[in-house]
Amino acid sequence: DQQVKQNSPSLSVQEGRISILNCDYTNSMFDYFLWYKKYPAEGPTFLISISSIKDKNEDGRFTVFLNKSAKHLSLHIVPSQPGDSAVYFCAAEFGNEKLTFGTGTRLTIIP
Amino acid sequence: KAGVTQTPRYLIKTRGQQVTLSCSPISGHRSVSWYQQTPGQGLQFLFEYFSETQRNKGNFPGRFSGRQFSNSRSEMNVSTLELGDSALYLCASSLAGSRETQYFGPGTRLLVL
Repeated sequence: DQQVKQNSPSLSVQEGRISILNCDYTNSMFDYFLWYKKYPAEGPTFLISISSIKDKNEDGRFTVFLNKSAKHLSLHIVPSQPGDSAVYFCAAEFGNEKLTFGTGTRLTIIP
Repeated sequence: KAGVTQTPRYLIKTRGQQVTLSCSPISGHRSVSWYQQTPGQGLQFLFEYFSETQRNKGNFPGRFSGRQFSNSRSEMNVSTLELGDSALYLCASSLAGSRETQYFGPGTRLLVL
């Protein structure tokens, strides 16, 4: 039972354009959401998070949007840069429970 | 500050064997979590240890076990290995666990033949 889903396994975006990565969840108890970025041969690194009391959080080129009614969150990267090419995982949690990760989306930025 | 380290980085085992993986968290971090990453399944949570106690556990069979030592270092053991256990095993540490940023190690890639 995949409670956090990333339905696009891969995404290609032109350098300088906006990258939009999507994530859906089924558990309405989730109240904290995170995005991680992973390069090959490295562990995931934390990118940005959002609490369920907010609908948007911005950090530089990265913005996460949360739509609780649709149980959907998205990560916007603008402008996209070649160094953004990586696998992106969304994750969710509630209370002190474990983080539940999505399956990841491989983002490729085309120069 | 040194990051999370995992040893060994690569491992090849055969079915039926057992394996022990090690994780050294960032100094001062007391929470260590383990994840299994396989293609198509993303990162699946195995367990979390905090101050030598298992605090959370994922949906994995009892062949997967772990422990944490007083210096916060953690080990994960898999007994009676199966082909499907081939994966990247990631360890993450944080100061106290939930709601705090987890810092991941580079992982141990296990291949079961």
